[in-house]
Amino acid sequence: GAGVSQSPSNKVTEKGKDVELRCDPISGHTALYWYRQSLGQGLEFLIYFQGNSAPDKSGLPSDRFSAERTGGSVSTLTIQRTQQEDSAVYLCASSLFQGDGYTFGSGTRLTVV
Amino acid sequence: AQSVSQHNHHVILSEAASLELGCNYSYGGTVNLFWYVQYPGQHLQLLLKYFSGDPLVKGIKGFEAEFIKSKFSFNLRKPSVQWSDTAEYFCAVKSGTNAGKSTFGDGTTLTVKP
Repeated sequence: GAGVSQSPSNKVTEKGKDVELRCDPISGHTALYWYRQSLGQGLEFLIYFQGNSAPDKSGLPSDRFSAERTGGSVSTLTIQRTQQEDSAVYLCASSLFQGDGYTFGSGTRLTVV
Repeated sequence: AQSVSQHNHHVILSEAASLELGCNYSYGGTVNLFWYVQYPGQHLQLLLKYFSGDPLVKGIKGFEAEFIKSKFSFNLRKPSVQWSDTAEYFCAVKSGTNAGKSTFGDGTTLTVKP
């Protein structure tokens, strides 16, 4: 597609529920990244994919967080048993190759109540 | 671990003033350097990037940045700002050993008064 697409754009969920966030990168971009941005905070790295493999998942905050990428394209970030501290904007980005700059999506604003 | 420091949290300028936003990183090896901008209500977008070669790089909308290796710096500049430059600016670095992941600074909010 023309840009990085993320869905949903907003998600309100109850504490303890599971959520899935989706990212559709630019076609042909081999690298895909997940970050999150909390209010007043910078960008916190979560995980990145090169193709379908995740060479670096060091930023995932706990084992409640997982992500996968299939077909070298769409990625899903899953948060299980959501907590209030998970509330943030979750950003997805892709790049043509691993060292290049990012094209970001518009993000998913997650609110855990 | 590598880190990125942006010295100014909030900068306020009048239109036509010159801009320089500081960025320093802590990594001694080869780096790729980036500046991103987030305009109000919009998503982050790449402003400019440096990989190698001429240390003075030019980006969109009249912005430029200079890589000074000895100072571990990559400061963003614009000779004359406009009201439309009001935005948040993020510096980011990718290190040679982990070129996939970017480390971002905390961002600088620029407010340009008309």
